[in-house]
Amino acid sequence: DTAVSQTPKYLVTQMGNDKSIKCEQNLGHDTMYWYKQDSKKFLKIMFSYNNKELIINETVPNRFSPKSPDKAHLNLHINSLELGDSAVYFCASSQAVGRIEETQYFGPGTRLLVL
Amino acid sequence: KNEVEQSPQNLTAQEGEFITINCSYSVGISALHWLQQHPGGGIVSLFMLSSGKKKHGRLIATINIQEKHSSLHITASHPRDSAVYICAVNKGGSEKLVFGKGTKLTVNP
Repeated sequence: DTAVSQTPKYLVTQMGNDKSIKCEQNLGHDTMYWYKQDSKKFLKIMFSYNNKELIINETVPNRFSPKSPDKAHLNLHINSLELGDSAVYFCASSQAVGRIEETQYFGPGTRLLVL
Repeated sequence: KNEVEQSPQNLTAQEGEFITINCSYSVGISALHWLQQHPGGGIVSLFMLSSGKKKHGRLIATINIQEKHSSLHITASHPRDSAVYICAVNKGGSEKLVFGKGTKLTVNP
């Protein structure tokens, strides 16, 4: 059973298109995250949701819109894709009870290439 | 300057060697994480610690809160340990993780 899954694994698209990446976790966790890993392999948080509510929103262009239909899913929609959006996007989840920091479980990543 | 610094950036070792990867941070933290990113890209959490030392198999992680420093040790290294090891911290009691740039480890047979 996959704990944190993402679809698609690979996404190649043209500049200007709109695309979505889906994430699902079957761990029963309350908190989910989106991270971006750039070409230099540097990871950076984009968003975090706790029980469907946005709790972390880093300085990310508003072309990126996360949506959490329930606490097991956190999808990432990207409008008007740009070349600089090419990266690997990782979803993660944790059972963050209150303010207690918890181990995060990562999805396999979605490799986005914008041409 | 990045809030989380790792050294070395790249490390090549022979099978069987003892490996140490260092992480220093400049912010107040509530926990520190060591992650492993395999050559295929998947990320696995190895340790989360807020004090002292943790051991799992051949891996040992230590943290010194006063010195704002953590080390990840691998004993009897093996080629399958080849990966990028990433240090990350929970900044100021938040779920938000701030990452180091990673240490690429290559263990040769």
